[in-house]
Amino acid sequence: AQSVAQPEDQVNVAEGNPLTVKCTYSVSGNPYLFWYVQYPNRGLQFLLKYITGDNLVKGSYGFEAEFNKSQTSFHLKKPSALVSDSALYFCAVRDPARISGGYNKLIFGAGTRLAVHP
Amino acid sequence: EAGVAQSPRYKIIEKRQSVAFWCNPISGHATLYWYQQILGQGPKLLIQFQNNGVVDDSQLPKDRFSAERLKGVDSTLKIQPAKLEDSAVYLCASSRAVLAGNEQFFGPGTRLTVL
Repeated sequence: AQSVAQPEDQVNVAEGNPLTVKCTYSVSGNPYLFWYVQYPNRGLQFLLKYITGDNLVKGSYGFEAEFNKSQTSFHLKKPSALVSDSALYFCAVRDPARISGGYNKLIFGAGTRLAVHP
Repeated sequence: EAGVAQSPRYKIIEKRQSVAFWCNPISGHATLYWYQQILGQGPKLLIQFQNNGVVDDSQLPKDRFSAERLKGVDSTLKIQPAKLEDSAVYLCASSRAVLAGNEQFFGPGTRLTVL
């Protein structure tokens, strides 16, 4: 079964420092991977995705993520954190080779709360 | 373009009452999703529509939850009767098609509290 793990409930980082939010996945085939961000009282907002090609994916607001097939990881990174980056971050995976009821689900991790301190 | 619209934003009911949520997806998006997000967890898919047809409702508690998308545009999700464990944020999302690589666009959600 496909699954996503976000091993850290919370990540604390000082403004201006680099940040990493970790994500590992388990799928039977080649994964499609996504990162979403959720601000308080708002829905999830798409940040970036990996489908195929270059392992380093660039997304919105200066975020990027690196797909590592051997480590089954898709960590989210940013070179210099901002206080406004403080939010809840979700990693999600979809296995395009796995059919469930005809279409494949997007499976979300439990989320990691990022706190950027001034 | 306008985003996914949901209403109401907040709802408080007592257990055994019924409640309905409404969603209007982004114009032109054929695929619509309803998720349940319990506090401290990631969103869990309840039901997925392609136009006005259901393509995945395997995680929908069908004894109490129902959803429809009659004209292939907006959708309603109903809970009847509600239980305490239904307290959660209900998120609606849409995407252009059900292709695996398409990202989903989410509405602001409806926060349901069951007392």
